[in-house]
Amino acid sequence: SQTIHQWPATLVQPVGSPLSLECTVEGTSNPNLYWYRQAAGRGLQLLFYSVGIGQISSEVPQNLSASRPQDRQFILSSKKLLLSDSGFYLCAWSNGGSSYEQYFGPGTRLTVT
Amino acid sequence: GNSVTQMEGPVTLSEEAFLTINCTYTATGYPSLFWYVQYPGEGLQLLLKATKADDKGSNKGFEATYRKETTSFHLEKGSVQVSDSAVYFCALGSGGGADGLTFGKGTHLIIQP
Repeated sequence: SQTIHQWPATLVQPVGSPLSLECTVEGTSNPNLYWYRQAAGRGLQLLFYSVGIGQISSEVPQNLSASRPQDRQFILSSKKLLLSDSGFYLCAWSNGGSSYEQYFGPGTRLTVT
Repeated sequence: GNSVTQMEGPVTLSEEAFLTINCTYTATGYPSLFWYVQYPGEGLQLLLKATKADDKGSNKGFEATYRKETTSFHLEKGSVQVSDSAVYFCALGSGGGADGLTFGKGTHLIIQP
């Protein structure tokens, strides 16, 4: 069966510090991968998606970036965090094609102080 | 473009009450429709889905019917429990794009004993 992991589970970082969040998927190959952010009390905002190694599409211009160095690994990064980057970050995967359903990881709670 | 509209709540009910959470959508073509549930501090879980008109998705006592004529996918449960307290997201996928699902803003459901 497929599983998706995210780490760390929680993170407290000062403004201006760098960020690296990691997501890995097991039990499938060549998945589509997604990063979402969920601000407190609000809905989901799609940040990035990827259909293959090295292929990243950005939905929202901001100081975050994403990379996919391996087929089942998706990394969210920032060189300098802003207070507004605080939120709950969710990684998800799908099989792509005509199957739209996505499967989510447990999330990372990021607090920028 | 695609969009999903759902009541944001919070929706507060007593245990064993009947639940309806409305969801309507706008989409090109023939979308697939989903309900996701998010418990506090966790990622989203796929609750149920329907891929064509008049399909009924069901899981854990929840049901939703794909109504193309009214572009709706309302979530229902006959008798809610305290453990059903969560945020519920309606979502659609269409167009074959890898950018995946369009989500509603989520409905916060609170069940009181």
